[in-house]
Amino acid sequence: KNQVEQSPQSLIILEGKNCTLQCNYTVSPFSNLRWYKQDTGRGPVSLTIMTFSENTKSNGRYTATLDADTKQSSLHITASQLSDSASYICVVSYLSNFGNEKLTFGTGTRLTIIP
Amino acid sequence: DGGITQSPKYLFRKEGQNVTLSCEQNLNHDAMYWYRQDPGQGLRLIYYSQIVNDFQKGDIAEGYSVSREKKESFPLTVTSAQKNPTAFYLCASSQDRGTSQETQYFGPGTRLLVL
Repeated sequence: KNQVEQSPQSLIILEGKNCTLQCNYTVSPFSNLRWYKQDTGRGPVSLTIMTFSENTKSNGRYTATLDADTKQSSLHITASQLSDSASYICVVSYLSNFGNEKLTFGTGTRLTIIP
Repeated sequence: DGGITQSPKYLFRKEGQNVTLSCEQNLNHDAMYWYRQDPGQGLRLIYYSQIVNDFQKGDIAEGYSVSREKKESFPLTVTSAQKNPTAFYLCASSQDRGTSQETQYFGPGTRLLVL
């Protein structure tokens, strides 16, 4: 069964500190992995997208890594800001038997930054 | 939220009533999607459309219906057959569903509550 598991479920850190969010998946055949940021009551916004051959991708203070061998990804946030408080969702895509792309969403990590 | 709008922001449904959620995009995207988000669960695909006048069922289509008469519009109707409609509904669009690296852009969401 294709699954995406994220940890921790929630995380609270002080403003200015770094943090790392984890994503493990069993999706196969793997196509790409995306990280989204979702503010409370809003739609998700794309942060990064990585294919099988990419190990790392950055977007400002956000850096995503991918280990396709162990089927793990992480999202590292540097020098956190209050505006980073949100849910971070890991999304893994695969090609279905019909050749079209399907997405499997993780349940997200709820990050809270405190001053 | 890009160029995707959803309305209303909040919607109340009485038992036995059909309600329609609006989704409009001005990004000239070919593909559009409807997802449902419940607490503690990842987003689940309800319906998607790759082209005007064509749409396909997602993983949880029962109790829902859609239409795609115009490229920019993809309304979702929650019918009385959907017994547990309370959720946060997200509409998304992408340039082309067939390309594995296409980013999905999400709308701000509609929260549906049952009276």
